[in-house]
Amino acid sequence: SQQGEEDPQALSIQEGENATMNCSYKTSINNLQWYRQNSGRGLVHLILIRSNEREKHRGRLRVTLDTSKKSSSLLITASRAADTASYFCAFMDSNYQLIWGAGTKLIIKP
Amino acid sequence: NAGVTQTPKFRVLKTGQSMTLLCAQDMNHEYMYWYRQDPGMGLRLIHYSVGEGTTAKGEVPDGYNVSRLKKQNFLLGLESAAPSQTSVYFCASRDLDRSEETQYFGPGTRLLVL
Repeated sequence: SQQGEEDPQALSIQEGENATMNCSYKTSINNLQWYRQNSGRGLVHLILIRSNEREKHRGRLRVTLDTSKKSSSLLITASRAADTASYFCAFMDSNYQLIWGAGTKLIIKP
Repeated sequence: NAGVTQTPKFRVLKTGQSMTLLCAQDMNHEYMYWYRQDPGMGLRLIHYSVGEGTTAKGEVPDGYNVSRLKKQNFLLGLESAAPSQTSVYFCASRDLDRSEETQYFGPGTRLLVL
């Protein structure tokens, strides 16, 4: 399977702490994207990092990409209860299709 | 803009019944996708379309058919539903512009096949 792998599967932290999620893939990619899914709802795009980029920021989000290790990480700083959701990485392969990881379930405890 | 909408939101079928899921987008996007999401797994692509009148198979196309007669609509059909098709189905769309590679998702359709 070409599916991306994410870890951890679940993460529970206190409000205010930082949350880090990791994603690995096996093929060459055009870009890697992170999406968020609130319980039972559609996915919302968070951030995209291209294969020639190493780091990207958007508000409290920081994404890194290491193409030599075929891995990416998403850091959410100063977490809030509203950040509780599932987070998915998806990489765009050479056919411009998105291949998805299984997701990390993040719980922020107030 | 409503974005991407899906109907119905929830449906229960008996094995062997047929149904059609409708996806509509008002963003004039060329690309549309149908995914299924099962517990503990990421999204898996069923079928996709790169423009009106075109469709292509994704990773898990068996048991499903699709049609894209109008640019704004992408229909997913189950001709003879099976319990293995119990899942949450998501539709997504994106622009043709390669610099805009974000996919926009609908709210999902929960399907239970008994």
